[in-house]
Amino acid sequence: AQSVTQLDSQVPVFEEAPVELRCNYSSSVSVYLFWYVQYPNQGLQLLLKYLSGSTLVKGINGFEAEFNKSQTSFHLRKPSVHISDTAEYFCAVTKFSGGGADGLTFGKGTHLIIQP
Amino acid sequence: DTAVSQTPKYLVTQMGNDKSIKCEQNLGHDTMYWYKQDSKKFLKIMFSYNNKELIINETVPNRFSPKSPDKAHLNLHINSLELGDSAVYFCASSQDVSSNEQYFGPGTRLTVT
Repeated sequence: AQSVTQLDSQVPVFEEAPVELRCNYSSSVSVYLFWYVQYPNQGLQLLLKYLSGSTLVKGINGFEAEFNKSQTSFHLRKPSVHISDTAEYFCAVTKFSGGGADGLTFGKGTHLIIQP
Repeated sequence: DTAVSQTPKYLVTQMGNDKSIKCEQNLGHDTMYWYKQDSKKFLKIMFSYNNKELIINETVPNRFSPKSPDKAHLNLHINSLELGDSAVYFCASSQDVSSNEQYFGPGTRLTVT
């Protein structure tokens, strides 16, 4: 089984400042890693994913994440945030082989609050 | 052009009632899912279906019965609704069981009073 820990339930950041949202995972098998964003009263939108290859992945809206296998982390970063980035961010994993059948395992989410 | 759609968007009902939520995907995917997001925004898989066949049932009470009339639809029927069933329910789909990317619907907010 897999598990995901998002260390911060809430992260307040000033507009145009950089931000990092932390995610650690635990799994006995290889996994794929994802970040999803949920804007208020909306569904989930995929920000980015790590499947293989370069450990630095770039996503939509200027976000990027770095996979660190030794630290079992997949932290999300953005160099300069905007008010419109206020949302809930979810880190998720699924196992490498046939993971689609198991669905995604989500962390508890991090609420990113952008302050003007 | 909505990829994964759900109806209704909001559902308010009383305890003890039976209700259904519908999900449709027009992506030609083989695999569909239901997730529950509780009041603390925690998301958890409930069911997954592949080609209309149930492949995962994550210890969900048997009051919840998914039904897949065809590959493009996965409906969720809930009997004898309880207060604790209040949540947002998300449908999702993926190409197949080996696919890693899932596409989510907009969610159905169920409120049981």
